[in-house]
Amino acid sequence: TQLLEQSPQFLSIQEGENLTVYCNSSSVFSSLQWYRQEPGEGPVLLVTVVTGGEVKKLKRLTFQFGDARKDSSLHITAAQPGDTGLYLCAGAETSYDKVIFGPGTSLSVIP
Amino acid sequence: DAGVTQSPTHLIKTRGQQVTLRCSPKSGHDTVSWYQQALGQGPQFIFQYYEEEERQRGNFPDRFSGHQFPNYSSELNVNALLLGDSALYLCASSLRTGGSYGYTFGSGTRLTVV
Repeated sequence: TQLLEQSPQFLSIQEGENLTVYCNSSSVFSSLQWYRQEPGEGPVLLVTVVTGGEVKKLKRLTFQFGDARKDSSLHITAAQPGDTGLYLCAGAETSYDKVIFGPGTSLSVIP
Repeated sequence: DAGVTQSPTHLIKTRGQQVTLRCSPKSGHDTVSWYQQALGQGPQFIFQYYEEEERQRGNFPDRFSGHQFPNYSSELNVNALLLGDSALYLCASSLRTGGSYGYTFGSGTRLTVV
């Protein structure tokens, strides 16, 4: 059974601080995705990583896929209140497999 | 370019009733996946439809069923509603099966069972 774990579960930081959230599994994934979800809305895709060791940057967000393709991290530099939301990692074991989600990390950035 | 459209946005039903939720995928997408998200949790996979057939299914009882139409839109039906079915139901669309390169989600239908 595929399972994705995320840590921390909750994170409250001051504006301008840096943070890292983690996504881990015992399964190997063909790809991992990161989404951000705001209250009352559906998740919005931030990035997909497909190659072990891959690093992608999206403005102040840096995503890394583990070498063994079992884990990923999301690093935010100089967090802003607009970064507040639920960060979800999701993965599929194969290109045609269902996508499963982790439980999410709830981030609150205080002005 | 319209994204994923879900209706209704909110719904209140009584235990034991039946409900139908609707989804129109993003233009150009042919695959629809349905997820259930309880408060404070990540989305749980219900099933996926491609070429009008259920291709994959998660660990949900047969009370949950679906359909995909020739225009790629989809419906999720839940029979004999339980209080525990109260959740945000999300529809996600993608091109072809799997969605391993990312989904486009709708805003969801908030179902409350009383």
